[in-house]
Amino acid sequence: NAGVMQNPRHLVRRRGQEARLRCSPVKGHSHVYWYRQLPEEGLKFMVYLQKENIIDESGMPKERFSAEFPKEGPSILRIQQVVRGDSAAYFCASSPDSPGNTIYFGEGSWLTVV
Amino acid sequence: DQQVKQNSPSLSVQEGRISILNCDYTNSMFDYFLWYKKYPAEGPTFLISISSIKDKNEDGRFTVFLNKSAKHLSLHIVPSQPGDSAVYFCAPTGANSKLTFGKGITLSVRP
Repeated sequence: NAGVMQNPRHLVRRRGQEARLRCSPVKGHSHVYWYRQLPEEGLKFMVYLQKENIIDESGMPKERFSAEFPKEGPSILRIQQVVRGDSAAYFCASSPDSPGNTIYFGEGSWLTVV
Repeated sequence: DQQVKQNSPSLSVQEGRISILNCDYTNSMFDYFLWYKKYPAEGPTFLISISSIKDKNEDGRFTVFLNKSAKHLSLHIVPSQPGDSAVYFCAPTGANSKLTFGKGITLSVRP
């Protein structure tokens, strides 16, 4: 998948704990996207970031979810006080420029809340 | 509000025959259309794309057709191979650069 690295691949959290998902984009890509896939559903857009900026967070739940893409280091999707409904596959993607360029996805992080 | 519809959840074809996967959209602001292929427990893999200024794009066994007036696109795979068995997502985008995914079509290619 063109070098987008996500970790952890699998994460189990108890209700009320915090989940942090990390994403390193393809080298040279400055645009990062997070998507979530619930069972039997397509991927849903969550947030679009460039270095140090949130460009579009229209798909992010209003509470408990946040994302960042710092100047140095990976992008982080943070979910506070997780609930069972947060259990899903979270995919990160990156692109070198926008719009019209192909967006490459990572392998995904599977969050299970017990 | 489903902007992208892949109305057939599954498709089964014989190896060597043509697979045709359809996608309809409602948002006229979409101007770039991508198809992704996804295996279980893996991320989507880019397959082929088409710009709104074209009506056809071909890459090997894969061809995508776009009918802008009907807001319809289709992916043709010929000849189909067992390794093509996967979930296929139609994912248009526009100036805001975010992809909008359909629910996907599960393709099974029988040997």
